[in-house]
Amino acid sequence: GAVVSQHPSWVICKSGTSVKIECRSLDFQATTMFWYRQFPKQSLMLMATSNEGSKATYEQGVEKDKFLINHASLTLSTLTVTSAHPEDSSFYICSASIGTSGRAFNEQFFGPGTRLTVL
Amino acid sequence: AQSVTQLDSQVPVFEEAPVELRCNYSSSVSVYLFWYVQYPNQGLQLLLKYLSGSTLVKGINGFEAEFNKSQTSFHLRKPSVHISDTAEYFCAVTSNRDDKIIFGKGTRLHILP
Repeated sequence: GAVVSQHPSWVICKSGTSVKIECRSLDFQATTMFWYRQFPKQSLMLMATSNEGSKATYEQGVEKDKFLINHASLTLSTLTVTSAHPEDSSFYICSASIGTSGRAFNEQFFGPGTRLTVL
Repeated sequence: AQSVTQLDSQVPVFEEAPVELRCNYSSSVSVYLFWYVQYPNQGLQLLLKYLSGSTLVKGINGFEAEFNKSQTSFHLRKPSVHISDTAEYFCAVTSNRDDKIIFGKGTRLHILP
């Protein structure tokens, strides 16, 4: 149980185009989804937290107009990299949490990641 | 604020030898601690977690970790490594205040034949 998928697994695009990455919780309803970025040989950096039906909360330094996050349902969140540039090339990983209110701890389940290369 | 320090960026070890990957954390509140493994070009897989209770936590693939509150450490150990253990290992911390996970910089485990 608790499987999270991402699509596509890898994508190559031209500079200036937009790319959409999907994150799905396959066997549970995720009230909260997280988006991380990982540069080569570095750790995961949280970009934003999204709750179903509300606006995402972005971490400091992350441009909300560049990285559009939509969490339209309890099983799907999307990250759109708008007007992508080579410096946006990275490994993007999502995670999903059941987020039961009142619980002290809500485990995150991670997707397999999406490698974005911007030419 | 919480933080995680993984002291070793790379650890080489011979196959079938024991290994310890070090992790220290800093937090002003009670924490939950995790170790994740990442194989090349893949997402994260949870190895083990400490939420409460016994300070010795056993995980998958023969790994275990010990929570030491006085030393604010959560070191990962395996008595005998295999070539398939070659991967990046991340220590992480969160708390009951929010759901954000703070990751360490990772330790690359090299298994030598």
